[in-house]
Amino acid sequence: RKEVEQDPGPFNVPEGATVAFNCTYSNSASQSFFWYRQDCRKEPKLLMSVYSSGNEDGRFTAQLNRASQYISLLIRDSKLSDSATYLCVVNGPTGTASKLTFGTGTRLQVTL
Amino acid sequence: DAGVIQSPRHEVTEMGQEVTLRCKPISGHNSLFWYRQTMMRGLELLIYFNNNVPIDDSGMPEDRFSAKMPNASFSTLKIQPSEPRDSAVYFCASSLRGGVAGDTQYFGPGTRLTVL
Repeated sequence: RKEVEQDPGPFNVPEGATVAFNCTYSNSASQSFFWYRQDCRKEPKLLMSVYSSGNEDGRFTAQLNRASQYISLLIRDSKLSDSATYLCVVNGPTGTASKLTFGTGTRLQVTL
Repeated sequence: DAGVIQSPRHEVTEMGQEVTLRCKPISGHNSLFWYRQTMMRGLELLIYFNNNVPIDDSGMPEDRFSAKMPNASFSTLKIQPSEPRDSAVYFCASSLRGGVAGDTQYFGPGTRLTVL
């Protein structure tokens, strides 16, 4: 089983749609969770951290379910500029907190 | 503010040649990471340093790969000899407080390596 699993997509959605991505992780001792965004032929950039209580940043909402080892990202009112690959990222347990494990990403294509 | 700087941005070489990738982390950051990204395997951590000291190199594929960080502002990743299966994008990233959960890693633009 992969440490971090994501649906690779692609998700093709019209502008204005709401889209949700899911991710599962295998290490129950993981401490921190993130969503990174990667544009085509560019480097990954932090989109948002994910907290147990859930957190929102504008049109983006992230949720964490520790019991199910499940992370989600919801994008409302999709824009053309949201087209990218979204990487689910989990860090290691105590002592390896720096070590991030990346999912292979979910590709989103927003169309007119 | 300059971000993470990597060079070269593109490298094409022949099998058996030595390849050296370079990275300058963000000034003041204590941790540096080398990643490799391929279509098949995604983004994989190769090695990371805290305060210039290698902490975990378990991701380094084999002895052909080596990494150094002689000072806080410079690191190299060397492949000798290179093989076609090493073709990938190699990213360097740095973070302010390595070892702290939740610390953000900032990535450089990557080096696209092609080994013929």
